[in-house]
Amino acid sequence: DAMVIQNPRYQVTQFGKPVTLSCSQTLNHNVMYWYQQKSSQAPKLLFHYYDKDFNNEADTPDNFQSRRPNTSFCFLDIRSPGLGDAAMYLCATSRDPGRWDTEAFFGQGTRLTVV
Amino acid sequence: GENVEQHPSTLSVQEGDSAVIKCTYSDSASNYFPWYKQELGKRPQLIIDIRSNVGEKKDQRIAVTLNKTAKHFSLHITETQPEDSAVYFCAASTLGGYSTLTFGKGTMLLVSP
Repeated sequence: DAMVIQNPRYQVTQFGKPVTLSCSQTLNHNVMYWYQQKSSQAPKLLFHYYDKDFNNEADTPDNFQSRRPNTSFCFLDIRSPGLGDAAMYLCATSRDPGRWDTEAFFGQGTRLTVV
Repeated sequence: GENVEQHPSTLSVQEGDSAVIKCTYSDSASNYFPWYKQELGKRPQLIIDIRSNVGEKKDQRIAVTLNKTAKHFSLHITETQPEDSAVYFCAASTLGGYSTLTFGKGTMLLVSP
């Protein structure tokens, strides 16, 4: 009964070759987040969607884009992956952050390798 | 923006000992402080959280304390067990407003049998 599902679990891509990671949720949450987590580091927020509103973090490289075609799905596009983009990418969801019962639910992550 | 500092980065204890992980935050508007546990190769999962209207919250062997004046909060695990071994992340955000989670850098807890 996974609630936040990420595909694939492992992705190998070539240097400079566009890659898309996907995330789906069954929780009907308003907010979907993409985090980048490098080895032994905290998750770093790349961007998030509040419903259809896209919110980019100031230090997220232009190389990273996102799409949310509907409530359930969100995609992370890396236009030209570099070696430094190898990481675990975590998708998370939560209810309206203005609510007091918000909790972030994470997917299992996609481990991206760039060769 | 919010900045969350977490210490220590690694913590080794013997089974049965207590473990304490500390975090400080910078934004006085932050009012929600969750703790996540991430086992190796798995997703972060919420283990306990505290809101700024309380100073302490307990759930079995886990407790969290919050000092709003000093802007720090701590995770306390008593009677540690080997299965408590994981990376623990603190985080902060502002509920009732519009903000996202800012994570600390994580603490790797190792519990030796």
